[in-house]
Amino acid sequence: GAVVSQHPSWVICKSGTSVKIECRSLDFQATTMFWYRQFPKQSLMLMATSNEGSKATYEQGVEKDKFLINHASLTLSTLTVTSAHPEDSSFYICSARDSGTGNSPLHFGNGTRLTVT
Amino acid sequence: AQTVTQSQPEMSVQEAETVTLSCTYDTSESDYYLFWYKQPPSRQMILVIRQEAYKQQNATENRFSVNFQKAAKSFSLKISDSQLGDAAMYFCAYRSADAGNMLTFGGGTRLMVKP
Repeated sequence: GAVVSQHPSWVICKSGTSVKIECRSLDFQATTMFWYRQFPKQSLMLMATSNEGSKATYEQGVEKDKFLINHASLTLSTLTVTSAHPEDSSFYICSARDSGTGNSPLHFGNGTRLTVT
Repeated sequence: AQTVTQSQPEMSVQEAETVTLSCTYDTSESDYYLFWYKQPPSRQMILVIRQEAYKQQNATENRFSVNFQKAAKSFSLKISDSQLGDAAMYFCAYRSADAGNMLTFGGGTRLMVKP
């Protein structure tokens, strides 16, 4: 079945530093990937839609200059949390759909737990 | 904008019994998809079941079935013969039929299974 690989699975960084999270579709191509954030005991909230070869679409309230998204190929999207602060600590999950198979379901990565100290 | 509401923050069921998780949604679209996802402590999102809005027949997957009431905009999940491994967070989700559209999630229901 379709697999989405997300790396790293967890990361601890200091305030002010930047962290890059990768999301790869391993056996399919994805022109669109989605980045979600999940705070403890809460639901998944869409942050942005990553579009291959073009700019990402950000949801209201999400700072595009803080959460940089790059979707340079059909199998890779990256989310960079710039100048991280403790309030950015959260669980980040990416998802992707196989572009070649109509209305296929979304496949999720295993998520990245970010802790900013 | 579409919204998804899960009115039960927590539910509990005895092992081998049946439990129903509720979900309602709001949309002006006529064609869409509805999903139930399971999120165990590992935080991995696992697709449980999917329903196309244009299909009147309720989807079933082994012990999991849905009661899809399009007019009422209701999409409940029934888990039969509950097992300890069913304990998890369950999220109801909506997606427009337009290709490329994202999922909108409900707030989630924590299901506990008592041995």
